Order: sequence, then structure tokens, then C-alpha cells
Amino acid sequence: DVKVTQSSRYLVKRTGEKVFLECVQDMDHENMFWYRQDPGLGLRLIYFSYDVKMKEKGDIPEGYSVSREKKERFSLILESASTNQTSMYLCASSLLRPGLSGNTIYFGEGSWLTVV
Amino acid sequence: GQNIDQPTEMTATEGAIVQINCTYQTSGFNGLFWYQQHAGEAPTFLSYNVLDGLEEKGRFSSFLSRSKGYSYLLLKELQMKDSASYLCAVRGWDYKLSFGAGTTVTVRA
Repeated sequence: DVKVTQSSRYLVKRTGEKVFLECVQDMDHENMFWYRQDPGLGLRLIYFSYDVKMKEKGDIPEGYSVSREKKERFSLILESASTNQTSMYLCASSLLRPGLSGNTIYFGEGSWLTVV
Repeated sequence: GQNIDQPTEMTATEGAIVQINCTYQTSGFNGLFWYQQHAGEAPTFLSYNVLDGLEEKGRFSSFLSRSKGYSYLLLKELQMKDSASYLCAVRGWDYKLSFGAGTTVTVRA
């Protein structure tokens, strides 16, 4: 069965702390993504990666960085957490070149981060 | 980039039909997805359109017109469990998936 696992479901961190959100997929997918989801704004892409050690900025990369040292793992890093980064973070993965028939992105369960 | 619009909320009665529209403006198109998301949960895949026309999957159907930048998701025989947020997403040539803000559907008895 397809699996994208996010290491932490709920976190509370203090302003200024360094925060790591980990994501692991077991489908040998090339593409991995980090989104954040806020009420009324939908899912917004922070960063994505299409290969090990490769990364591309999404729509809202400011205040975040990522690491992809192994194909199955994609980490989101908040260098210095701020209250406006309180959100739900979703990791996802997909094949590099999806076909025409019913391909999809697979999501993790989400990580709820509160910065106080 | 992508600009994706869908209504914020819709309400319908159990057993009825609801159509959720999605319009998009894109710099490159490589497929349109619909996802369902219940509160506090991750999105789950519903449908995928890359060619014009209607795709039917049981009670759910999705339609795409690439020339009009338009899609809709049709939910038939509504059930209470269909109360959720429905997300329209467009994939670009770079394989990034961009999402609309989502449509919250409330099904009333």
C-alpha cells in the first residue's frame, strides 16, 4: 500500500526555534513536495524536489529551506520559526513523469505546527 | 504560474446533485485533479482529467474543457459523508501541482 509518512502529527514550538519536519515515502517516487494549508488560502507550495539533492522553490519559500539527501526522505526546515508559520504542513510525492491514466500525488497525514 | 478559482461554499440536500466549478489560467497545462479533504485529514484523490470531456467514477464525475480553462466536479446522490472540502488542482509542465482554495460542501438531511 502507498505510504507517505510525516514524522510529527502535532508540534508546538517557540518563536526563533529551528524546526524540522520529516517526510518519508516508500514508493520510489522521484518528486516530493511540501505544502502548507491555511483557511481560505488552500494548499500553497513551499518547495519541491525532483531528485536527490535537487530542490526548486515553490510559491512561498521565504522562511523555509529543504533537504533531500536520500530519495525517500524530504525534510522541511524552519530556520527560525515565527508565529505566521503556524499552519498545517503537508508532504506529498509522485512519479517524475506521470502517465496519462489516473496518476496522482500521494499525501502524508499532515503536521500541525503551532509557533508560540 | 497558475490562477485557480472555485466557489468558497456550497450547500445541498442529501440525495441531490451538486456541481462544483473550477476555472483556471495557466502558463502550462499538464492535467487537472480533484481532491476531497475532510476536516483535519489529508486530501484524497478523486479524479484526473488531461483530455477534454467527462470522466465518470461511480457517483463522482469530472469534466474538462482546456480551451475554456474550465472544469467541474459533479457529485450525484449526495450522502452525508460527502460533506467535505473539494480541491481543484492544476499540474503545469514542470509537474508542480497548484491548488485552488477549495470548496466546502455541506450536505443537509
